[in-house]
Amino acid sequence: NAGVTQTPKFQVLKTGQSMTLQCAQDMNHEYMSWYRQDPGMGLRLIHYSVGAGITDQGEVPNGYNVSRSTTEDFPLRLLSAAPSQTSVYFCASSPTAGQITNEQYFGPGTRLTVT
Amino acid sequence: KNQVEQSPQSLIILEGKNCTLQCNYTVSPFSNLRWYKQDTGRGPVSLTIMTFSENTKSNGRYTATLDADTKQSSLHITASQLSDSASYICVVSLSNDYKLSFGAGTTVTVRA
Repeated sequence: NAGVTQTPKFQVLKTGQSMTLQCAQDMNHEYMSWYRQDPGMGLRLIHYSVGAGITDQGEVPNGYNVSRSTTEDFPLRLLSAAPSQTSVYFCASSPTAGQITNEQYFGPGTRLTVT
Repeated sequence: KNQVEQSPQSLIILEGKNCTLQCNYTVSPFSNLRWYKQDTGRGPVSLTIMTFSENTKSNGRYTATLDADTKQSSLHITASQLSDSASYICVVSLSNDYKLSFGAGTTVTVRA
């Protein structure tokens, strides 16, 4: 299994541009999520999904959209990039949406810079 | 205010020495607490999970403790190796929510 894969690994955008960060998992996990990681702060949840066709907002959803048309894929769209969205983005998946065994399997991250 | 506080923010230790990282949390109702290791440029990887009834769990040279009454956890690294250089993140999950509470992490640097 490849686990959780993310593309691209690095990206530079100009303010106002849009783009999609790709995330895929091959473990048949129900739960998928997107986080951003900023220096000195804990990972913050952007959006999450408990199954195909179901998405919900996390702690910092503004400026981002997601969709979950398949179990495997969970892309994150930046609608109009702003410098405040400069961050490292992690996609994660978990076998189920339940709480007992909720180990998150993280992708390698995408480092995004908005100028 | 972050509901999961980790200390210290960073530390440097010599290879072969031991160290202990702290995690204090205020979130409730508590379900479990995980410690993750994040190598530079990589995603976090789970080291241990502890539920309410567990107070010690080991994974090789890593030993985690949990005091659910005082809402404190620690991660002890024994006989540190260069490969232990990483950020260690404490993550608390609630029993009534899908969302997790992340600490900001402790950066450990092991020097030869």
